[in-house]
Amino acid sequence: DQQVKQNSPSLSVQEGRISILNCDYTNSMFDYFLWYKKYPAEGPTFLISISSIKDKNEDGRFTVFLNKSAKHLSLHIVPSQPGDSAVYFCAANFGNEKLTFGTGTRLTIIP
Amino acid sequence: ETGVTQSPTHLIKTRGQQVTLRCSSQSGHNTVSWYQQALGQGPQFIFQYYREEENGRGNFPPRFSGLQFPNYSSELNVNALELDDSALYLCASSPSVANVLTFGAGSRLTVL
Repeated sequence: DQQVKQNSPSLSVQEGRISILNCDYTNSMFDYFLWYKKYPAEGPTFLISISSIKDKNEDGRFTVFLNKSAKHLSLHIVPSQPGDSAVYFCAANFGNEKLTFGTGTRLTIIP
Repeated sequence: ETGVTQSPTHLIKTRGQQVTLRCSSQSGHNTVSWYQQALGQGPQFIFQYYREEENGRGNFPPRFSGLQFPNYSSELNVNALELDDSALYLCASSPSVANVLTFGAGSRLTVL
């Protein structure tokens, strides 16, 4: 049972444009959502998070939007830069429980 | 401030053998979690240790076991290896039981 889903395995975006990565979840108990970025041969690194009491959180070029009624969140990167090319994982949890990860989306920024 | 370090980075074992993976947590972090990432999948939670006690376990059989030491470093042991155990094993630490984890680069295990 995949409780966190990233339905797009890959995404290519022109440098300077907006990248939008999507994530859906099924467990309504989740109350905290995170995005991690992973480069080859490195561990995932924390990027940005959002609590279920908010619908938007912004950090520089990165913004996460949460739509609880649709059980959907998205990560917007603008403007996209070549260094943003990586695999992005959406993750969720409730309380202090384990993180449940999606399968990841490979983002490629085209110069 | 050192991050999370894992060893070994790569190893090859045969079916039925046992393996021990090691992790040094980030300075100041007292909680360690282990995740298994199979090819093409997201990380799957194995278990978490907080102050040397297991503090939550995912859907993994008992042949997956762990330890946390007084210096908060940790080991993951897998007995009776199966082909499906081939994966990247990620260790992550955090300050207490918290949401944001700091991951190591992982240990890639291949079981033949």
